[in-house]
Amino acid sequence: KQEVTQIPAALSVPEGENLVLNCSFTDSAIYNLQWFRQDPGKGLTSLLLIQSSQREQTSGRLNASLDKSSGRSTLYIAASQPGDSATYLCAESGGSYIPTFGRGTSLIVHP
Amino acid sequence: KAGVTQTPRYLIKTRGQQVTLSCSPISGHRSVSWYQQTPGQGLQFLFEYFSETQRNKGNFPGRFSGRQFSNSRSEMNVSTLELGDSALYLCASSLAGSKNIQYFGAGTRLSVL
Repeated sequence: KQEVTQIPAALSVPEGENLVLNCSFTDSAIYNLQWFRQDPGKGLTSLLLIQSSQREQTSGRLNASLDKSSGRSTLYIAASQPGDSATYLCAESGGSYIPTFGRGTSLIVHP
Repeated sequence: KAGVTQTPRYLIKTRGQQVTLSCSPISGHRSVSWYQQTPGQGLQFLFEYFSETQRNKGNFPGRFSGRQFSNSRSEMNVSTLELGDSALYLCASSLAGSKNIQYFGAGTRLSVL
């Protein structure tokens, strides 16, 4: 059974800080990895999708990297804002194409 | 372009009843996946439908079933509800499955009393 672990589970930072969220996975046959944002009581919003052949993807203040050899992905958030407060989840899909989700990192950015 | 629509948003049922949840995917998307999210287990994959066929299935009992119609809309049914079925049920649509970006609906919050 594939496992995805996200560290830290919770994070509280002042506005303006640069952040790194970590995601590790056990699937050696990863096909892609996707980062999501979830606001309380809501569905998930896709942030970035990295294919296994890629090393990183960028969207605005967000940058996600993928290192298959070490089984790790990181989500970098530059110049954090209070509106970034949410839970961030990563999900990896392997050969079975069934996504496995991490438990998420709960982020609070305070003014 | 309209997003993924899930109905109803909230449901309250009692043990032993059955429930049907609905998901309308983004126009043009042929894959619909269903997930259960609970505080204890996190987000778990239920099943995926593609072109009216179940393509993948997670590790859930047979009480959980689904189907997809020719217009790609999908329904999920849970029979003989148990207290532990209380959860946020999310559906996600994509062009062809987890190979592509998945777009999620707002979810249906099911409470079983």
